Amino acid sequence: AQSVAQPEDQVNVAEGNPLTVKCTYSVSGNPYLFWYVQYPNRGLQFLLKYITGDNLVKGSYGFEAEFNKSQTSFHLKKPSALVSDSALYFCAARGGATNKLIFGTGTLLAVQP
Amino acid sequence: NAGVTQTPKFRILKIGQSMTLQCAQDMNHNYMYWYRQDPGMGLKLIYYSVGAGITDKGEVPNGYNVSRSTTEDFPLRLELAAPSQTSVYFCASSEGSYTGELFFGEGSRLTVL
Repeated sequence: AQSVAQPEDQVNVAEGNPLTVKCTYSVSGNPYLFWYVQYPNRGLQFLLKYITGDNLVKGSYGFEAEFNKSQTSFHLKKPSALVSDSALYFCAARGGATNKLIFGTGTLLAVQP
Repeated sequence: NAGVTQTPKFRILKIGQSMTLQCAQDMNHNYMYWYRQDPGMGLKLIYYSVGAGITDKGEVPNGYNVSRSTTEDFPLRLELAAPSQTSVYFCASSEGSYTGELFFGEGSRLTVL
């Protein structure tokens, strides 16, 4: 069965510091990996995705993610955090020829001024 | 450009009542999904559809029904509401590929008392 794990319920970081939000996955076949962000009382918004090619993927708002096949990980990163980055972040994965996109439990990112 | 529109935004039901959550998209997407979001649990897939007339179960389909008579609409029906169905429900759509990102509605918050 497909699964996505986000081991940290919350990540705290000071504004200006680099941030990392961790994600590992377990899927059959080639993985298709996604990051979404959710602001309070809103729907999820797409940030970036890995389909194939370069392991470092760049997305919206200065975020990037690194695909590591051997560690089955897809960590979200940003070189310099902003207070406005504070939100709930979800990692999601599809494997092989499946229509089902499975989400992790989410990581709350809190950026302190 | 409306994207994915969900109605109602809020609803309170009594145990045993029935209701339909409406979802419409104007992006001509073939794929549509219903997720529920519970605190600490992430998003769980209830049902999905790959086109008009085609639906399939997700991770947590019990207590729900769907139909897809048109490309635009994907309503979710709760037949006999139970407290366990108290949740925030999100509808999403995507282009017809495994690599396409999902576009989410703003959510429908349902409380069953």
